[in-house]
Amino acid sequence: DAKTTQPTSMDCAEGRAANLPCNHSTISGNEYVYWYRQIHSQGPQYIIHGLKNNETNEMASLIITEDRKSSTLILPHATLRDTAVYYCIVRVEQGGSEKLVFGKGMKLTVNP
Amino acid sequence: DTGVSQNPRHKITKRGQNVTFRCDPISEHNRLYWYRQTLGQGPEFLTYFQNEAQLEKSRLLSDRFSAERPKGSFSTLEIQRTEQGDSAMYLCASSLNRGSYGYTFGSGTRLTVV
Repeated sequence: DAKTTQPTSMDCAEGRAANLPCNHSTISGNEYVYWYRQIHSQGPQYIIHGLKNNETNEMASLIITEDRKSSTLILPHATLRDTAVYYCIVRVEQGGSEKLVFGKGMKLTVNP
Repeated sequence: DTGVSQNPRHKITKRGQNVTFRCDPISEHNRLYWYRQTLGQGPEFLTYFQNEAQLEKSRLLSDRFSAERPKGSFSTLEIQRTEQGDSAMYLCASSLNRGSYGYTFGSGTRLTVV
């Protein structure tokens, strides 16, 4: 079962920052939050991940609340090519195994 | 490095036939994962390999499904006696050291069972 909930969809204007929310209220202390995106008919593309601290890379920033129950992915200057389904994911480790547990994701549409 | 490679990209098969998919991970990645994705849903975990050892199999992986990773390099996923419900995108991913640098997914194999 997915451990994250996201809005079904969101729109954003081109050039503006896109703030994508995610709730993961049942996350355990050692479980990382990952963000991926998927464009139709392609495999998911890695964006960023974090545990407790905020993270930034060339694609995005990840803001994780202090209680770790929610996070926000920030695309600082959205472009039309950022239109995709975005997945907020918890990495689960159990009994020597590990996996990413996906939810249904959120469709982001960047409008001109 | 060309990333994770999956073959074939598309497969159409008749119900009851067997199919096999191949995944070539990034060469230095010791961990390999298979996922299945149906239309409008996120990918669902199927199985996980660390080197050649299969460490977890989802309950989604019925006895008609088998996965191997001989020598800890490429992996194959075989579906026997395919059913229409097996129609989906089958995704392979690989990682190094518990995904510290992320998990890299392939473009998937789209299976259609007619």
